[in-house]
Amino acid sequence: AQSVTQPDIHITVSEGASLELRCNYSYGATPYLFWYVQSPGQGLQLLLKYFSGDTLVQGIKGFEAEFKRSQSSFNLRKPSVHWSDAAEYFCAAGGPNDYKLSFGAGTTVTVRA
Amino acid sequence: NAGVTQTPKFQVLKTGQSMTLQCAQDMNHNSMYWYRQDPGMGLRLIYYSASEGTTDKGEVPNGYNVSRLNKREFSLRLESAAPSQTSVYFCASGYEQYFGPGTRLTVT
Repeated sequence: AQSVTQPDIHITVSEGASLELRCNYSYGATPYLFWYVQSPGQGLQLLLKYFSGDTLVQGIKGFEAEFKRSQSSFNLRKPSVHWSDAAEYFCAAGGPNDYKLSFGAGTTVTVRA
Repeated sequence: NAGVTQTPKFQVLKTGQSMTLQCAQDMNHNSMYWYRQDPGMGLRLIYYSASEGTTDKGEVPNGYNVSRLNKREFSLRLESAAPSQTSVYFCASGYEQYFGPGTRLTVT
């Protein structure tokens, strides 16, 4: 069955430190991959996506993600976090012939001063 | 260009009441989706519409009905609300999932 796993439920990071959020997928073929961010009280916003090509993908708000086929992973990174990056982050995956995505359970990021 | 809009933003219902959540998109997307989000449960797909004129059940369709009124609009109906349907409901549009701001529904 297709699934997306985010192993970390909650991460706390200091402002200015680097951040890495893990995402693993289980799919029959190379899926399309996405990261979303949800600020408190808001809907989800697309940060970045991977369909094919360069395995390092740049997104909005200074985020990037790297697709590693050998590890079935699509980890999200940011070199230096800001207090405004405190939010919940969701990884998602879908196939080229799917109409819907599978979402991970989310990782909550807390930023301490 | 408003993206995805949802109405209402907040709603309180009594058990057994009915209501319709409205969703509209102006991005000319074929597909539209309804999710619910509950603490500790993540996002769960209720129904989706791959294109105008089609709808399909998602992960948690019981107690809900949907209508794809036209390409722009996709509504979610609760015929007889139950406390278990207290949740935040999100509409999304397009394969990449552009989300609306959500409707916070409480059923007492």
